[in-house]
Amino acid sequence: DQQVKQNSPSLSVQEGRISILNCDYTNSMFDYFLWYKKYPAEGPTFLISISSIKDKNEDGRFTVFLNKSAKHLSLHIVPSQPGDSAVYFCAASARYGGSQGNLIFGKGTKLSVKP
Amino acid sequence: NAGVTQTPKFRVLKTGQSMTLLCAQDMNHEYMYWYRQDPGMGLRLIHYSVGEGTTAKGEVPDGYNVSRLKKQNFLLGLESAAPSQTSVYFCASSPLPAGDTDTQYFGPGTRLTVL
Repeated sequence: DQQVKQNSPSLSVQEGRISILNCDYTNSMFDYFLWYKKYPAEGPTFLISISSIKDKNEDGRFTVFLNKSAKHLSLHIVPSQPGDSAVYFCAASARYGGSQGNLIFGKGTKLSVKP
Repeated sequence: NAGVTQTPKFRVLKTGQSMTLLCAQDMNHEYMYWYRQDPGMGLRLIHYSVGEGTTAKGEVPDGYNVSRLKKQNFLLGLESAAPSQTSVYFCASSPLPAGDTDTQYFGPGTRLTVL
């Protein structure tokens, strides 16, 4: 049973426009959420995170929104750039829920930003 | 400062053969992780370690063994490789539990094919 779901395997966006990547989760014990970015033939790299006590976190062109009641978070990239083309993984953890702080990853969404 | 390195980068095994994947980090991190990534499956935790001399099972530990004899190294062993273990393997390290920090760093991955 998937606890972290990224239902869109791929997304294509025009350069300069907004990219919105979505993530849903089922475990109400999750209290920390992270987005990782992965280029081909490289390991994932941390992008942005959000704690469950917040509903928004912003870092430059990247903003993550959290809707706890809907168990949904989204990553907004504005404006999108060709260099943003990568696979984006949503991950969640239950820091105080007995999972030893381990991360549960979604399947990823491949973003393509076209010039 | 090399970060997280993995050896080898590529390997082809025959069913039943054994091998060891080596992960090394030079950041003095306590926590180290082994993940596997399969197409359309995201990253799944195999085993992890919360410090030198410790190991613990993750989500998909069957068929793998690990050792953390030195703080900077985390070894992943396959005693009798099976085609189902064909995957890309990522090692990661962090100063805190992966789900409680923005500073989990991944290695570049090892692509393993089992024929």
